[in-house]
Amino acid sequence: DTAVSQTPKYLVTQMGNDKSIKCEQNLGHDTMYWYKQDSKKFLKIMFSYNNKELIINETVPNRFSPKSPDKAHLNLHINSLELGDSAVYFCASSQEVGPNTEAFFGQGTRLTVV
Amino acid sequence: AQSVTQLGSHVSVSEGALVLLRCNYSSSVPPYLFWYVQYPNQGLQLLLKYTSAATLVKGINGFEAEFKKSETSFHLTKPSAHMSDAAEYFCAVSAANDYKLSFGAGTTVTVRA
Repeated sequence: DTAVSQTPKYLVTQMGNDKSIKCEQNLGHDTMYWYKQDSKKFLKIMFSYNNKELIINETVPNRFSPKSPDKAHLNLHINSLELGDSAVYFCASSQEVGPNTEAFFGQGTRLTVV
Repeated sequence: AQSVTQLGSHVSVSEGALVLLRCNYSSSVPPYLFWYVQYPNQGLQLLLKYTSAATLVKGINGFEAEFKKSETSFHLTKPSAHMSDAAEYFCAVSAANDYKLSFGAGTTVTVRA
């Protein structure tokens, strides 16, 4: 059983399109995250939800909109895709919010915008 | 805000040799420090974490790290490298006043037979 699963694993799309990435965790965790990993493998947090409430919203274009229908799911919708959005997007979850809590990561979604 | 700097973007070691990955942190409050590993085409996995209980932290797969406040460092070591250790390693920091994980730029480890 995959603890944190993302779909799709690969996504190739044209500029200007709208796309969504889905994430589900079966760990019973309260907190979920979206991270972006660029081509140089630099990893940066984008959003975090705790019990369906948005608690971290980094400086991200408003074309990116997270949605958490319940504690086990956190989806990422991207409007008007741009070339610079090409990256690997990781979903993660943790048991709770806190500085010493372990994050569990999904396998990533490689988004390529052409 | 907290930050970490990983010294060396690429480390190459022989199988059986010592693995040493360097990480220095910057934090105005006591930090929580982590090492994560990313195998090819996979997500990140926690190797170990420092939460002020003990300065020498043992993790999975034979890795350990030592917290040195005087040097603001949290270097990762493994006495004997194995081919399966080839991966990307990330140091990360958070703190009680800012619990977001901030990652370093990563260090790629290759292991030579």
